[in-house]
Amino acid sequence: GNSVTQMEGPVTLSEEAFLTINCTYTATGYPSLFWYVQYPGEGLQLLLKATKADDKGSNKGFEATYRKETTSFHLEKGSVQVSDSAVYFCALSSYMDTGRRALTFGSGTRLQVQP
Amino acid sequence: GAGVSQTPSNKVTEKGKYVELRCDPISGHTALYWYRQSLGQGPEFLIYFQGTGAADDSGLPNDRFFAVRPEGSVSTLKIQRTERGDSAVYLCASSLEPGLAGGREADTQYFGPGTRLTVL
Repeated sequence: GNSVTQMEGPVTLSEEAFLTINCTYTATGYPSLFWYVQYPGEGLQLLLKATKADDKGSNKGFEATYRKETTSFHLEKGSVQVSDSAVYFCALSSYMDTGRRALTFGSGTRLQVQP
Repeated sequence: GAGVSQTPSNKVTEKGKYVELRCDPISGHTALYWYRQSLGQGPEFLIYFQGTGAADDSGLPNDRFFAVRPEGSVSTLKIQRTERGDSAVYLCASSLEPGLAGGREADTQYFGPGTRLTVL
């Protein structure tokens, strides 16, 4: 079956540090890949996505590249801010026989950015 | 435009009671999903609607859980005889129609803010 593995948190960084959150996946076919972010007390927000190999998703200074050869979709940001403190979820979407898109999530990585 | 909305934002109930959670998807999205998120974990799939019908309910944990979408828009998740283990955040998401009509964009699900259910 499909699965997503992401690094355990919490990840604690100082403001303006470089961020990497690793994500690897197992899936059949050609899934789409996503990063969702969940700020304290809020729901999931789509951060970025990539739908095919070598695509780079980017938003708000965050980037992730769909690497089929390493089955990875690592999230990076060059300079984090305190406002980036949140839980980040890596996810993949695959097509099921029932017609639905199955979103499989990783367990989430909590990022804490200190001033 | 308006995103996915869910009501109530918080629900506290007593063990054994019945609850209803409501989801209003993005206009034009024919696909609707319910997920459950326990503390410290990623969301887990419960049920999927395409239009008015529940096309996939394989994630519902037992027969106390039921969901409807009578007019193909708003959906209600119903939980009977609630148990303390049902306490979680219930998330709703919507997307374009999966399949050729939606293309790869249908892979993207947009989530509501969730309903935090606490069963005492």
